[in-house]
Amino acid sequence: GQQVMQIPQYQHVQEGEDFTTYCNSSTTLSNIQWYKQRPGGHPVFLIQLVKSGEVKKQKRLTFQFGEAKKNSSLHITATQTTDVGTYFCAGQSGATNKLIFGTGTLLAVQP
Amino acid sequence: SAVISQKPSRDICQRGTSLTIQCQVDSQVTMMFWYRQQPGQSLTLIATANQGSEATYESGFVIDKFPISRPNLTFSTLTVSNMSPEDSSIYLCSVATGTGFLGYTFGSGTRLTVV
Repeated sequence: GQQVMQIPQYQHVQEGEDFTTYCNSSTTLSNIQWYKQRPGGHPVFLIQLVKSGEVKKQKRLTFQFGEAKKNSSLHITATQTTDVGTYFCAGQSGATNKLIFGTGTLLAVQP
Repeated sequence: SAVISQKPSRDICQRGTSLTIQCQVDSQVTMMFWYRQQPGQSLTLIATANQGSEATYESGFVIDKFPISRPNLTFSTLTVSNMSPEDSSIYLCSVATGTGFLGYTFGSGTRLTVV
């Protein structure tokens, strides 16, 4: 079945440093979504990418969708303590509405 | 975007018993999704619940263990049956939000501990 892997599993950074998480799908995706889950919370939608090679920015966050629509990345510039949480990519493929979540990257930010 | 009320928020249950989790959405939605998230892990899709038809279960999940009801377009329940400690997990419901895609909204989750 479809698998979505993320690396790294865990990243610890000093506040102000940059952070990147990478997402790879075993199958071609129709779109990729990114979610953030704070400790003890539920996933919250950040963004959706649909087009091959698409790049979107939200303030300090930059999201990319690979040309082959099988990989994606999330880059955070100058991390803040409020960025702490687990970042999940989630892909949809084909005609199904099923959302398959990646393995997640836990970000810890030291002030 | 949609708002989901999920109950209970947590429960501690005896093995062999069943727990029913409820999700109420503030708007009508075609599909509702049920996920399981084990501590420190990712979300695994259990099933997709459509109103007026049988839920569609993912590999590894069966109706006898996780019966789902979807009586109308704003409500769904997931029952965890004949529980064992391995069922200890967080269970979340989810819906696609709004007109124009705004992502999937999740309920606040049910933290289940089976003893």
